[in-house]
Amino acid sequence: AQKVTQAQTEISVVEKEDVTLDCVYETRDTTYYLFWYKQPPSGELVFLIRRNSFDEQNEISGRYSWNFQKSTSSFNFTITASQVVDSAVYFCALSEEFSGTYKYIFGTGTRLKVLA
Amino acid sequence: ETGVTQTPRHLVMGMTNKKSLKCEQHLGHNAMYWYKQSAKKPLELMFVYSLEERVENNSVPSRFSPECPNSSHLFLHLHTLQPEDSALYLCASSQRVGGREYFGPGTRLTVT
Repeated sequence: AQKVTQAQTEISVVEKEDVTLDCVYETRDTTYYLFWYKQPPSGELVFLIRRNSFDEQNEISGRYSWNFQKSTSSFNFTITASQVVDSAVYFCALSEEFSGTYKYIFGTGTRLKVLA
Repeated sequence: ETGVTQTPRHLVMGMTNKKSLKCEQHLGHNAMYWYKQSAKKPLELMFVYSLEERVENNSVPSRFSPECPNSSHLFLHLHTLQPEDSALYLCASSQRVGGREYFGPGTRLTVT
């Protein structure tokens, strides 16, 4: 069965610290997609990254980086030199095809608080 | 500006009311979604439409009735809701099902 686990419910860091948000997933399929979304206090979900299961290359975008490890079924997200504006709830999600349709599963989210 | 709009942004309704949530996407996408976000629970996928046909229905109670008249518009018709249905209802669209989703701002629904 598909499942996305974000074991960290809430993380607090001081500004400029690096922080890693963990995401572990379960899937029966060999073709799937992984996503990270950010939800700031305003409530609107913001897309951060989409990765397909055949692309294990790690990605860096500014202060954000993602580490995709199929061997451990993990897709962790690191923010370098965190800023107060990074404070938000971050969701990891899995999308896979099942019986001709797509299942889209979100984790429970990790609330990140960056303190000035 | 995400290209996905939702109206109304806030809605308070009684349990006997009938109301509708509207979603419109200006991105030329072929798939649209309704999600429910309750406090302290993960996002729940409710319905998926691809080219105006429903392809996913995650065991949602019949008091929620979706409608997709064309690829740009998606409605969620509400009737005889319960207080536990109070939540943020998010609409999203993507180029195709399973692809990157663009979310609207959501409708904050309160059922009294």
